Amino acid sequence: QQQVKQSPQSLIVQKGGISIINCAYENTAFDYFPWYQQFPGKGPALLIAIRPDVSEKKEGRFTISFNKSAKQFSLHIMDSQPGDSATYFCAVRGGFKTIFGAGTRLFVKA
Amino acid sequence: KAGVTQTPRYLIKTRGQQVTLSCSPISGHRSVSWYQQTPGQGLQFLFEYFSETQRNKGNFPGRFSGRQFSNSRSEMNVSTLELGDSALYLCASRKDSTYEQYFGPGTRLTVT
Repeated sequence: QQQVKQSPQSLIVQKGGISIINCAYENTAFDYFPWYQQFPGKGPALLIAIRPDVSEKKEGRFTISFNKSAKQFSLHIMDSQPGDSATYFCAVRGGFKTIFGAGTRLFVKA
Repeated sequence: KAGVTQTPRYLIKTRGQQVTLSCSPISGHRSVSWYQQTPGQGLQFLFEYFSETQRNKGNFPGRFSGRQFSNSRSEMNVSTLELGDSALYLCASRKDSTYEQYFGPGTRLTVT
C-alpha cells in the first residue's frame, strides 16, 4: 500500500526561483520526516529533516513545513540554483522502518 | 571519517543464480538498513539490522535475506535471481538513538 504520496513527479524552476515539493502520508505512527537529495550514480544524501512536534525547520536555503493535522509536509528550496538539479525524496520513519516517496526530479534552468 | 562502503559496486548475474552484497557502516554506527531502488518502484525498504538482530522487514519474498555481524558489517543475499531483481541496492547506516541515515553509493545488480 502507498503510504507516502509525493508530488510533483518533475519540476522545472528558473534560477533564483522557489522550488516546492509536497508529500502526504497516511499513518500517524511516523515520528521522523526527512528529505533526501540524490544525484545520478550516488546514494541519497540527507538534506533536512523534521520531527512532528515542530511545524517548520529552516537550514540555509532549505525549509520543511509540516502540517500534522493534514498529514502533509513540504520542502521549499529558496533561490534555486542549477547545482540543486537532482532527484528529491521525502520519507517517513516509524517502527524501525523508513518509507520513501516516489521522488521528484528537479531541474533548475540557468 | 569514512562513509558507508558497499561492495561490489557493479555485478552482473544470470537468472537462477544467487548473490551476496556487502555493506560496511560508518564507524560507530550499529544500525544498518537495506533498500532496493528501481525506476518503476522507487526506493523500497528491505530490512533493518541492529546489533546482529533484524528489527523490521519490508514486503519482499523470502529469497531476500540479510544478516549483520558483530562488527556491524552487514550482508544481504538474494537467491534464485529473477530479471526483476535488477536494481540498485543501497545500504544506510545510523548511529544509536538518532534518526539520521547515511547512504552508501549502492551496488548496481544486473540480472540477465
